[in-house]
Amino acid sequence: AQKITQTQPGMFVQEKEAVTLDCTYDTSDPSYGLFWYKQPSSGEMIFLIYQGSYDQQNATEGRYSLNFQKARKSANLVISASQLGDSAMYFCAMREGLAGANSKLTFGKGITLSVRP
Amino acid sequence: NAGVMQNPRHLVRRRGQEARLRCSPMKGHSHVYWYRQLPEEGLKFMVYLQKENIIDESGMPKERFSAEFPKEGPSILRIQQVVRGDSAAYFCASSPRDREAFFGQGTRLTVV
Repeated sequence: AQKITQTQPGMFVQEKEAVTLDCTYDTSDPSYGLFWYKQPSSGEMIFLIYQGSYDQQNATEGRYSLNFQKARKSANLVISASQLGDSAMYFCAMREGLAGANSKLTFGKGITLSVRP
Repeated sequence: NAGVMQNPRHLVRRRGQEARLRCSPMKGHSHVYWYRQLPEEGLKFMVYLQKENIIDESGMPKERFSAEFPKEGPSILRIQQVVRGDSAAYFCASSPRDREAFFGQGTRLTVV
């Protein structure tokens, strides 16, 4: 079974509107962390936001927030007030295990977001 | 990308040649993770190294690929006798804190 699932086709959003990018995960480890990355056409991987499995509140970083629903094993990224520069691939990733242990990440296949002017 | 340095950014090799990719982690960090991204896919873990030690190489192909992180100098991912299927973007990362994981800008390897 895939550990990280991103199944949405290419997403489109109007500039200044909000958009939600879906991510579901699968793990039996009670300790894990969830990450979102942005990869623009230039190719670099830009860290956006992190959510720990024991965090009581949803993570927020500026215009990014993470809708963490632990029972449903989903960690959707919400981008508010979309900007043209948000057009990119977005990847969800998971680290399993305790903090300080081997922190390798497992990635989903990504979602393409296009922001329309 | 908080200080993870990779070079070269682009590398072209002919089939059968060797490719050497370099990564220096964030300042003060002694561990790196290497990932490979094939076209239209997410990143796949290859290897996790600390200085002079390979901790986890479960994602490394069994042949032609090797990695090292010497006491002095950058981590090196080495691909011998490259084939067209090795064409990909190779990223390294370091995790300064539990809640962060930063990547270098990647090396785009093209095998011709």
